[in-house]
Amino acid sequence: AQSVSQHNHHVILSEAASLELGCNYSYGGTVNLFWYVQYPGQHLQLLLKYFSGDPLVKGIKGFEAEFIKSKFSFNLRKPSVQWSDTAEYFCAAAGGGADGLTFGKGTHLIIQP
Amino acid sequence: SQTIHQWPATLVQPVGSPLSLECTVEGTSNPNLYWYRQAAGRGLQLLFYSVGIGQISSEVPQNLSASRPQDRQFILSSKKLLLSDSGFYLCAWSVRTGRNSPLHFGNGTRLTVT
Repeated sequence: AQSVSQHNHHVILSEAASLELGCNYSYGGTVNLFWYVQYPGQHLQLLLKYFSGDPLVKGIKGFEAEFIKSKFSFNLRKPSVQWSDTAEYFCAAAGGGADGLTFGKGTHLIIQP
Repeated sequence: SQTIHQWPATLVQPVGSPLSLECTVEGTSNPNLYWYRQAAGRGLQLLFYSVGIGQISSEVPQNLSASRPQDRQFILSSKKLLLSDSGFYLCAWSVRTGRNSPLHFGNGTRLTVT
């Protein structure tokens, strides 16, 4: 069965610190990978996605993620976080059909000024 | 540009009462439509998806149902709500292609069953 695991449920960092949020997936066959963000009081937004090609994917707001097939991982990174990055981050995976995404449980990121 | 509307934003309903949440998409045709639930500590769970009018696939057995009476309208319903139905419900759409394209989410409905 497909599953997505996010290692940290809560992360607290200071501004300018580097960020890495872990995500591992279990999926048979072709996999597409996504990171979504939900800022306080707002709806879910797409940060970045991986379908194929370069395993290092760059998204909006300085975020990037690296697809490591051998580790079944798709970790999210940002070299220097800002207070405005405080949000809930969801990793998601999907196969090649139209049957929707499987989401991780989310990581609540708090950036302290 | 495409937009997705979901209402109501919040809802408080007693146990045993019916439920109807509505979602409409504008600016696109033949979208894939989805209902997700976000429960505390459990992340996002896919409830239903639809690839066309009248075509509904259920991912989780429960007392909820979904319908798609029009191409860009997706409705989540229940005849009798349970306490466990409380949560945050999200409607989403994606382009209908051969592979999963990114989802675009509505603002969600926070449902509290009392």
